[in-house]
Amino acid sequence: QVQLQQWGAGLLKPSETLSLTCAVYGGSFSGYYWSWIRQPPGKGLEWIGEINHSGSTNYNPSLKSRVTISVDTSKNQFSLKLSSVTAADTAVYYCLKEMDVWGQGTTVTVSS
Amino acid sequence: QSVLTQPPSVSEAPRQRVTISCSGSSSNIGNNAVNWYQQLPGKAPKLLIYYDDLLPSGVSDRFSGSKSGTSASLAISGLQSEDEADYYCAAWDDSLNGRVFGGGTKLTVL
Repeated sequence: QVQLQQWGAGLLKPSETLSLTCAVYGGSFSGYYWSWIRQPPGKGLEWIGEINHSGSTNYNPSLKSRVTISVDTSKNQFSLKLSSVTAADTAVYYCLKEMDVWGQGTTVTVSS
Repeated sequence: QSVLTQPPSVSEAPRQRVTISCSGSSSNIGNNAVNWYQQLPGKAPKLLIYYDDLLPSGVSDRFSGSKSGTSASLAISGLQSEDEADYYCAAWDDSLNGRVFGGGTKLTVL
């Protein structure tokens, strides 16, 4: 059974870059799309983007200019970078395998 | 404003049956599979239904999914207090070339 473990900085200042990494344990890394989703406090889910093992990506059009998702197949990890963050980027960020297995979530707060 | 439309809340008594609707368009629900997720308070979402009507291993058969045209539904029978949660539908959108969610439905078991 695949498990995801994610980590990254939880407190950022406006204009900084959010950086999160998700490690995949207990299953194949190839053949799947690996996603990032976020949930602002008290709000619904928002898809950020996804990547496969060969590095092919799809991004949410509303975030595309600020988002980079990358993959390190040697470590079975994938990462999210979101640049120029503002308070509106405050959310719990989740990594996922193929929209079925979820990471534990990382709370990211943007505050000056 | 979510691409997929869900009622903000539904409520029903224990042991009864409730349905949650998810309305979309031909570019998402009408042409792609729908997933449903359950999010218990303070927890990460959990996959409840995939490919419109399939149950992942370990999910109770009190949950069922269906789809017709550009709308999908989640039904929960034999309601229990532990079913109180937020429920989200999701699908790929061909026009946006990305995944879209409903705004979520809060289920209250009276």
